[in-house]
Amino acid sequence: AQKITQTQPGMFVQEKEAVTLDCTYDTSDPSYGLFWYKQPSSGEMIFLIYQGSYDQQNATEGRYSLNFQKARKSANLVISASQLGDSAMYFCAMRGTASGGYNKLIFGAGTRLAVHP
Amino acid sequence: SQTIHQWPATLVQPVGSPLSLECTVEGTSNPNLYWYRQAAGRGLQLLFYSVGIGQISSEVPQNLSASRPQDRQFILSSKKLLLSDSGFYLCAWSVLENTEAFFGQGTRLTVV
Repeated sequence: AQKITQTQPGMFVQEKEAVTLDCTYDTSDPSYGLFWYKQPSSGEMIFLIYQGSYDQQNATEGRYSLNFQKARKSANLVISASQLGDSAMYFCAMRGTASGGYNKLIFGAGTRLAVHP
Repeated sequence: SQTIHQWPATLVQPVGSPLSLECTVEGTSNPNLYWYRQAAGRGLQLLFYSVGIGQISSEVPQNLSASRPQDRQFILSSKKLLLSDSGFYLCAWSVLENTEAFFGQGTRLTVV
């Protein structure tokens, strides 16, 4: 069975500092994708970054980078130079093979990040 | 460009009443469609997903059902709402296997 685990219910960081949000996953699929989303208090889901299981390099998107350690089954999100607007819930997600298809997308419980001035 | 419409934004319904939430996608063909529910301060629970018209996979047994009458339309329904059906419902779509899913604005459902 596929599973995503985010062990940090809440994190805080000082503005302009870097922060790492943890994500571990479990799957037996040989091919899968890992995603991070941001959910501000408005409720919208904002896609941040994607990592494919066969990608050789860690994904980066602006201030976001994904520390992908395949052997450890971890896909931690690193936010550099935190800004006050980064305060939100952050979700790790994985897409892999579901019975009869490849299109099941599951989410972790989320980490609430608070950026302090 | 592709867009996703989900309505209504908020809904207050009495226990035992029916429910119909609609989600439509524009600007793409044959999308994968998803319904999620999020309890307050919690993660997203996958309720249903669909890879094509009339094809629905249910993730958890519950009081809800889903239908996909058209390629870009996904409907979440209930015949009789329970208090436990309250939550934030999100519809999402994706195209390729390993590309991101795009979400609607969500419906905040309160069952009273």
